Amino acid sequence: DTGVSQNPRHKITKRGQNVTFRCDPISEHNRLYWYRQTLGQGPEFLTYFQNEAQLEKSRLLSDRFSAERPKGSFSTLEIQRTEQGDSAMYLCASSLAGQDYYGYTFGSGTRLTVV
Amino acid sequence: EDQVTQSPEALRLQEGESSSLNCSYTVSGLRGLFWYRQDPGKGPEFLFTLYSAGEEKEKERLKATLTKKESFLHITAPKPEDSATYLCAVRSQTGANNLFFGTGTRLTVIP
Repeated sequence: DTGVSQNPRHKITKRGQNVTFRCDPISEHNRLYWYRQTLGQGPEFLTYFQNEAQLEKSRLLSDRFSAERPKGSFSTLEIQRTEQGDSAMYLCASSLAGQDYYGYTFGSGTRLTVV
Repeated sequence: EDQVTQSPEALRLQEGESSSLNCSYTVSGLRGLFWYRQDPGKGPEFLFTLYSAGEEKEKERLKATLTKKESFLHITAPKPEDSATYLCAVRSQTGANNLFFGTGTRLTVIP
């Protein structure tokens, strides 16, 4: 297992376009999280899945954001009608329920630039 | 509302010069305090989890401690490869399963 994988690593898009990011968690992890990080800030929680169920969404997550985790495996995060304020690093993390002692394993992120 | 404050924002150390990073927190029922290391352009890398006051964890030159109000990350005889941003995060009873992060301390170790 190569850890949490995120694609693409970088994405440049024009304002108003839709973008989709993919996250492949560690295979045995049943929990998956999306975070957003801007320069000089810590990661901010966006949403969380346990298996295929989306159990929690942050108030930060506007209606333009949607996330899915079909079949409880990989996850996608879509941003519709992108705005310049959406420019950030989008991080995915995974964990195994009941083993949070080992922390959440983060991917390397997708850096989004909206021009 | 959960709050995590890290200090200092930035720290420059000479190689071998030991120091400590601080993480002060206010949460409703702590369910874990996490330390992560983050290198530029990469995702956070897990270091430690602490659950109760008095707990300590060590890994190589790093040692994390926890009280009821704050956590310290002690760095003993740092090397240039320890240069990174160190993030503190808490999990609380009201925050469900998500981690609430501080803004980090950017550490630079000069050879």
